[in-house]
Amino acid sequence: EVKLVESGGGLVQPGRSLKLSCAASGFSFNDYWMGWVRQAPGKGLEWIGEINQDSSTINYTPSLKDKFTISRDNAQNTLYLQMSKLGSEDTAIYYCARTPYVMDAWGQGASVTVSS
Amino acid sequence: DIQMTQSPASLSASLGETVTIECLASEDIYSNLAWYQQKPGKSPQLLIYDASSLQDGVPSRFSGSESGTQYSLEINSLQSEDAATYFCQQHHDYPWTFGGGTKLELK
Repeated sequence: EVKLVESGGGLVQPGRSLKLSCAASGFSFNDYWMGWVRQAPGKGLEWIGEINQDSSTINYTPSLKDKFTISRDNAQNTLYLQMSKLGSEDTAIYYCARTPYVMDAWGQGASVTVSS
Repeated sequence: DIQMTQSPASLSASLGETVTIECLASEDIYSNLAWYQQKPGKSPQLLIYDASSLQDGVPSRFSGSESGTQYSLEINSLQSEDAATYFCQQHHDYPWTFGGGTKLELK
């Protein structure tokens, strides 16, 4: 069974940083692109970006490219999202997903709240 | 960025009915479109990719079609478990973009 489990979410002050993790199991992690999608409260889905198998290619949505960094550790079957300079607009549930192009498996999401 | 305009934003239908949800792409996306279902409090699940290919395990009452830059998701014989929000997503050009969503309620 494909399983993706996000962790690292929580309450963070504006301007601070936070790093999310996504532990993958049930499939050969290093054979797949992986990505992140977020969903603000009561809103739609926003694609953040995705990374290829050996981390040589990472694509981001342009508006988040300077504050979010996607990385992965294939030895640990883990995907990461480093977020910096967080603002209230970044309050959302953050999902990791197996990609590319379409997201055929999703985690349960990590909730991030940016507030003082 | 490619804009995906989804309609309607919400709809209400009865068990057994057929409903159609649409997404209009701002440019040609060459059938590179997916549909997702998201139930309250849950993560999205892939229903259809490449405009009309059914993801493994998805009931055949779900189907996708296209006409030019207009893409449609049809749900036949509505079941109670189909109450959810549906999103389209283009995967033709980066950044991938989603439609605004359609909330389907069962009467």
